[in-house]
Amino acid sequence: NAGVMQNPRHLVRRRGQEARLRCSPMKGHSHVYWYRQLPEEGLKFMVYLQKENIIDESGMPKERFSAEFPKEGPSILRIQQVVRGDSAAYFCASSRRQGDTGELFFGEGSRLTVL
Amino acid sequence: GQQVMQIPQYQHVQEGEDFTTYCNSSTTLSNIQWYKQRPGGHPVFLIQLVKSGEVKKQKRLTFQFGEAKKNSSLHITATQTTDVGTYFCAGMSQGGSEKLVFGKGMKLTVNP
Repeated sequence: NAGVMQNPRHLVRRRGQEARLRCSPMKGHSHVYWYRQLPEEGLKFMVYLQKENIIDESGMPKERFSAEFPKEGPSILRIQQVVRGDSAAYFCASSRRQGDTGELFFGEGSRLTVL
Repeated sequence: GQQVMQIPQYQHVQEGEDFTTYCNSSTTLSNIQWYKQRPGGHPVFLIQLVKSGEVKKQKRLTFQFGEAKKNSSLHITATQTTDVGTYFCAGMSQGGSEKLVFGKGMKLTVNP
């Protein structure tokens, strides 16, 4: 049973380019979370999604950032016109269903570097 | 908004020592979870506490949930070098959207 899969593991972008990070949840999991982690920092909540529905995006910056979790395919975190401050590790986690207060399963992360 | 605070932020111990780290939430929680992240790795689930005053043990790790469901602690006995990493607590507010808010973590280093 494959775990949470994230790709790419490492991504380098120049300022102004777009970054797309993908996350395939564990089999049977219909809820996805995205977190951002700066070096030596904690995990900052960004967005919580269900298939075709954003449940909570209170942690998402108002501009340049968007997330989706379509009916088919992986969840995608999109960052437009990247700036150096976007450099971070972006972790995706999945859980079985809303109301399930059980554990989150994390992927290995996508590390974005903006030059 | 909901905030989760952990103290201390850094902990350096001698192998074999015991220590405790604490987690406090600004809101009442429906549950609290603890995760461990090794250097360069991803967070891995350790435990979940749901009931007021609940205590759970995993070998040398003891986790406690406060009576008011706003704080938690992790106690490690006889620390080993394999315990090195960052320990995060994460809380889910009662009546919220079920998002899990993480503390900034407690980074543990162990002197062999």
